[in-house]
Amino acid sequence: GAGVSQSPRYKVAKRGQDVALRCDPISGHVSLFWYQQALGQGPEFLTYFQNEAQLDKSGLPSDRFFAERPEGSVSTLKIQRTQQEDSAVYLCASSPLGPGQGATGELFFGEGSRLTVL
Amino acid sequence: GNSVTQMEGPVTLSEEAFLTINCTYTATGYPSLFWYVQYPGEGLQLLLKATKADDKGSNKGFEATYRKETTSFHLEKGSVQVSDSAVYFCALSSGNTGKLIFGQGTTLQVKP
Repeated sequence: GAGVSQSPRYKVAKRGQDVALRCDPISGHVSLFWYQQALGQGPEFLTYFQNEAQLDKSGLPSDRFFAERPEGSVSTLKIQRTQQEDSAVYLCASSPLGPGQGATGELFFGEGSRLTVL
Repeated sequence: GNSVTQMEGPVTLSEEAFLTINCTYTATGYPSLFWYVQYPGEGLQLLLKATKADDKGSNKGFEATYRKETTSFHLEKGSVQVSDSAVYFCALSSGNTGKLIFGQGTTLQVKP
């Protein structure tokens, strides 16, 4: 597709369930970011991939959060044993540039996956 | 650490009014600065950027100037339209990955 695609767009989970959120970045984009956006707040950084390498996971809030990008394209964010405080919109963004290539913060965002934990 | 602070919203204006949304930042080194916009039902998209002090970013009638002396990057538009109604996010990027740090967002509502 032409843009960053995320699925599912909406997910309702019961507390304690595991969820998986998928991101299809723009084809050929080197960098991929995950952000968490709580209601009425700005996006908060979770993790960053350069191709298949996870170079920064400093924003993951707990060890219940796990992200992967095994072939350097599609990425999955997994949240285990969901809690109510995990309710948020999860945004994926990609960029054609990586470290050392002039990456500047011009990111292309998907529409997000809205997670509601009951 | 690095951070971005925006004026709280919502901001409600009449069509053709002048818009200012304040943004200040704290950062080590020389960050790049951005305004992203989120229209209803859509994803975040880049509105404008500035990569060094005194640079002015502009797009769609919006402008912002990178002021290092006041650590600010205020967004302005001379005459807003109803179609400008959206949430505006100020952001900075430092380091070499392009990672963004966002402000909390400011909702703009423009009434006919």
